[in-house]
Amino acid sequence: EAQVTQNPRYLITVTGKKLTVTCSQNMNHEYMSWYRQDPGLGLRQIYYSMNVEVTDKGDVPEGYKVSRKEKRNFPLILESPSPNQTSLYFCASYRSNNEQFFGPGTRLTVL
Amino acid sequence: KQEVTQIPAALSVPEGENLVLNCSFTDSAIYNLQWFRQDPGKGLTSLLLIQSSQREQTSGRLNASLDKSSGRSTLYIAASQPGDSATYLCAVRPPYSGGGADGLTFGKGTHLIIQP
Repeated sequence: EAQVTQNPRYLITVTGKKLTVTCSQNMNHEYMSWYRQDPGLGLRQIYYSMNVEVTDKGDVPEGYKVSRKEKRNFPLILESPSPNQTSLYFCASYRSNNEQFFGPGTRLTVL
Repeated sequence: KQEVTQIPAALSVPEGENLVLNCSFTDSAIYNLQWFRQDPGKGLTSLLLIQSSQREQTSGRLNASLDKSSGRSTLYIAASQPGDSATYLCAVRPPYSGGGADGLTFGKGTHLIIQP
């Protein structure tokens, strides 16, 4: 089944404790992307990747890192999480001009 | 900067009605437009994708139209069912700019409730 998977689905952590949210797709898509969704602000892009080793900032990249060492994986790294990064995070993958497929989401709470 | 607006923010209708959800965007230079549904606590499910050169797309009871020059799209749902209850999101993608931003700009959604 074609899908985008994210882990963990739920995470509660404390300020400053490094964490990684994984994202994996099995559709051989070149593009992958991370978004966060916040009440009243909607969905905003954090980072995206056009292919292996090619990444670029989205609208709200501060406080996040990404890497794309393999085509199927695009982890989101929070080196020193803060409470304002409490949010619902979505990973997406797509081909150049095709529809974007989203993962199930990761609900992160930073205390 | 592209802005996407969805009207109405919320809608409650009886089962069986045909309904129209509206999406408008400020910059007509788009690559494509995509409609999604989001169920509470769940991810986004792609419904329809319209390329900038297309006028409409259909999938089952759903029909999406695009008028790029006026910055508008509509999602038409025929014969609504309680299972259609969800939040519907419209998103536009900018033209490829050779390394510039490539994110979808989302509207804030229309929260739809279909009463049995």
